[in-house]
Amino acid sequence: NAGVTQTPKFRILKIGQSMTLQCAQDMNHNYMYWYRQDPGMGLKLIYYSVGAGITDKGEVPNGYNVSRSTTEDFPLRLELAAPSQTSVYFCASSSSTGRSNQPQHFGDGTRLSIL
Amino acid sequence: DAKTTQPPSMDCAEGRAANLPCNHSTISGNEYVYWYRQIHSQGPQYIIHGLKNNETNEMASLIITEDRKSSTLILPHATLRDTAVYYCIVRLNTPLVFGKGTRLSVIA
Repeated sequence: NAGVTQTPKFRILKIGQSMTLQCAQDMNHNYMYWYRQDPGMGLKLIYYSVGAGITDKGEVPNGYNVSRSTTEDFPLRLELAAPSQTSVYFCASSSSTGRSNQPQHFGDGTRLSIL
Repeated sequence: DAKTTQPPSMDCAEGRAANLPCNHSTISGNEYVYWYRQIHSQGPQYIIHGLKNNETNEMASLIITEDRKSSTLILPHATLRDTAVYYCIVRLNTPLVFGKGTRLSVIA
């Protein structure tokens, strides 16, 4: 019953460091998403993918990179961490049928602090 | 995607029905209405979605007006664990766009 798994759950980075946030889903969903949520705010879309090998920018992509080499995994890369990237990061996935969009399933989040 | 308008906060007594409204007057004919909630700092949780007809599942009921310009999420017997931020989202084939939602406080 894993669903969407995000690792790590918490991380503290120094300014300028890089890291990769991992996201894996075991539901064979073709769509995957990365969001960030700043304190007291709603979620903002960073990047999304409609299938392996296909990614697209969301609302706030600057400072991030993604790749989608498999259906299951959708890692998010921070190359040069900045304090403005301190946030909670959520990964989500969904399937898509012809008639209606299926709901998104979210992971538990990665809490990232940049100091 | 159509824009949605929700009250910033609501209170509900434990055991009573919680009725959360959402206005989406610019909704287009093929767009669905989705409801999610976020409990404290957990990941958002899907509740229900619909197109035209009213929908019900084990968590809630969704009532969509005939002109589809507004909807109401109903939690029939609210418990303390239903305290959360509830998001109403209208979309078709695009990723979810989260507004600020309605903060529901269930009071004992």
